[in-house]
Amino acid sequence: GAGVSQSPRYKVAKRGQDVALRCDPISGHVSLFWYQQALGQGPEFLTYFQNEAQLDKSGLPSDRFFAERPEGSVSTLKIQRTQQEDSAVYLCASSPGTSVSSYEQYFGPGTRLTVT
Amino acid sequence: QKEVEQNSGPLSVPEGAIASLNCTYSDRGSQSFFWYRQYSGKSPELIMSIYSNGDKEDGRFTAQLNKASQYVSLLIRDSQPSDSATYLCAVNADGTSYGKLTFGQGTILTVHP
Repeated sequence: GAGVSQSPRYKVAKRGQDVALRCDPISGHVSLFWYQQALGQGPEFLTYFQNEAQLDKSGLPSDRFFAERPEGSVSTLKIQRTQQEDSAVYLCASSPGTSVSSYEQYFGPGTRLTVT
Repeated sequence: QKEVEQNSGPLSVPEGAIASLNCTYSDRGSQSFFWYRQYSGKSPELIMSIYSNGDKEDGRFTAQLNKASQYVSLLIRDSQPSDSATYLCAVNADGTSYGKLTFGQGTILTVHP
C-alpha cells in the first residue's frame, strides 16, 4: 500500500515568511508524529497526534510552530515568521496504534526547509 | 549525558564481514527499541524492532537487547556495499504510552568491496 507522503519535498522561504508543510499518513494509522532533523543528527521529536487529538507538543521549539490534524488523517505543520535556525528536514511518521506492539513508525520522505 | 548514544563512527568494514552497531540508553522505563537505516538524502527506513531481552533475527540482521545493561545492538552479517548508510538507534523513552521516539545521533557505516 501507499506509504507516508509529504509535500512539498523542498521549500525555500525568506526569513519572516510563513510556511505550511503537509503530511499524508498511511491509511488507518492512528498515531502521527512530526520530527525535525538537522544535518548529521538524528531526528528530534516535535509533536504527536492520536487521531485528531494533539497529545504531546513538548518538542515544538517555539510558539511560532503549530501543528494540526483536524480530521484525524492529514496533518499540517505550520511555521510562522521563519528564522534561519528553522532550516532543517521535517519528517512525518505514522504508526498503526498505541500499544507497544504497534509502535513501529514509518517515515515519509521529508520536507527540506531552507530559510534564507 | 544524552538519552540515546551510539558508538561513534564512521565504521568501515569489508564486504562479507559482520558489522556491529551499538547503542546505549538512559531511561530504564523504555519499552521498545528500533533500528532505522537512512541513506544519504533519504528518510529513515525501519529495519528492526525489538521489545524483549535477547536476540531477534531477520535475514542478515540481528538485534540484541539487554535491558539490565541498557544496551541494544545491531549486527549485520555478510555486509554488502548496499548496506552503506547511517544507522539510527531509536528508543521509546520517557515511558510514553504512544511510542514517542528518541534517536541517537547515528553511526555511518561504509562497506567497501
